[in-house]
Amino acid sequence: GNSVTQMEGPVTLSEEAFLTINCTYTATGYPSLFWYVQYPGEGLQLLLKATKADDKGSNKGFEATYRKETTSFHLEKGSVQVSDSAVYFCALMSFSGGYNKLIFGAGTRLAVHP
Amino acid sequence: KAGVTQTPRYLIKTRGQQVTLSCSPISGHRSVSWYQQTPGQGLQFLFEYFSETQRNKGNFPGRFSGRQFSNSRSEMNVSTLELGDSALYLCASSLAGRGKDEKLFFGSGTQLSVL
Repeated sequence: GNSVTQMEGPVTLSEEAFLTINCTYTATGYPSLFWYVQYPGEGLQLLLKATKADDKGSNKGFEATYRKETTSFHLEKGSVQVSDSAVYFCALMSFSGGYNKLIFGAGTRLAVHP
Repeated sequence: KAGVTQTPRYLIKTRGQQVTLSCSPISGHRSVSWYQQTPGQGLQFLFEYFSETQRNKGNFPGRFSGRQFSNSRSEMNVSTLELGDSALYLCASSLAGRGKDEKLFFGSGTQLSVL
């Protein structure tokens, strides 16, 4: 079946450090891939998405490239800020029965210190 | 444009009771999905509604049910609550709920505690 595996957290970084959060997936067909972010006490916010191989999603300095050959969608940011501290979820969109549902990874907590 | 609105924000119930959660989607969105988030199981898909019809269902017992109204607002109900039902319940809306370019927008969730 479809699944998403993320690197375990927490990830602790100093401000302005480089961020990578690894995400790999298992899926039949060609799913769309997403990164969502969850700040404390809030719901999920869509960070970026990619719908086909070699697509790069980007938003707010975050980037991720859809790599079909390695079934990966790693999240990167060149210089993190304290305000980026949150939990990050990688997800794939499964077209189950023709209708969409998201399958999430376990989430990776990021803590950025000044 | 208002986002996805979920009410109430917090709920405390006791075992055996039932509960109803509400979700108002973004204006114009006709698909509403529900997800359960727990520390142990993570985020899991409950069900999806479109035009008042349930189109997709996850692996949850029949105690979990939902419905959608003609204005696309949705409710989910959990009967005979168990301790393990304590979770953050998230609602997501999208335009049509199908297609590779669909984006799901989430509400802030309802935090349910079962004592």
